Amino acid sequence: AQSVTQPDIHITVSEGASLELRCNYSYGATPYLFWYVQSPGQGLQLLLKYFSGDTLVQGIKGFEAEFKRSQSSFNLRKPSVHWSDAAEYFCAVADGGYNKLIFGAGTRLAVHP
Amino acid sequence: DAGITQSPRHKVTETGTPVTLRCHQTENHRYMYWYRQDPGHGLRLIHYSYGVKDTDKGEVSDGYSVSRSKTEDFLLTLESATSSQTSVYFCAISAGTVGYEQYFGPGTRLTVT
Repeated sequence: AQSVTQPDIHITVSEGASLELRCNYSYGATPYLFWYVQSPGQGLQLLLKYFSGDTLVQGIKGFEAEFKRSQSSFNLRKPSVHWSDAAEYFCAVADGGYNKLIFGAGTRLAVHP
Repeated sequence: DAGITQSPRHKVTETGTPVTLRCHQTENHRYMYWYRQDPGHGLRLIHYSYGVKDTDKGEVSDGYSVSRSKTEDFLLTLESATSSQTSVYFCAISAGTVGYEQYFGPGTRLTVT
């Protein structure tokens, strides 16, 4: 069955430090992958998506993600974290013809000053 | 931001009562989805719609029904609410399937006592 795993439940980084959030997927065909961010009490906002082509995709707010088929991974990165990046981050894969999303459990990011 | 509203935003109800949540969009998107968000599970798909009067079940559909009589409205009904349905419910919309992202509403926090 298709699935998404985010191994890290909580991550804490210092402001200005680099960030990498891990995402592994299990999907039989070419995956369509997404990263969403959720601030407290808010809905989900799309950070970036991968459908095909370049394996390094750029998103909003200075985020990027790299698709590695050999590792079944789609890790999210940011070179310098800002305090406003504190939020929960979700990786998702689109499943089937109706674009249903399968989400990972999420990674909660805390940023220390 | 995509024009998606959810009502009510908060609701407290008693076990055994029926509850209907409404999702309204102004984007004229064909596809609509209902997810529930629970700690440790990310978001899980309850039901989705691929057109007026066209709906199907998602991963966690037991105890829920949906209706879509107009393009802009997608209703989620809990016929007889249980405490296990205490959750945050998100509606999402999409203009298409492959290659399209989903846009999420602000969510409804439902508490079943």
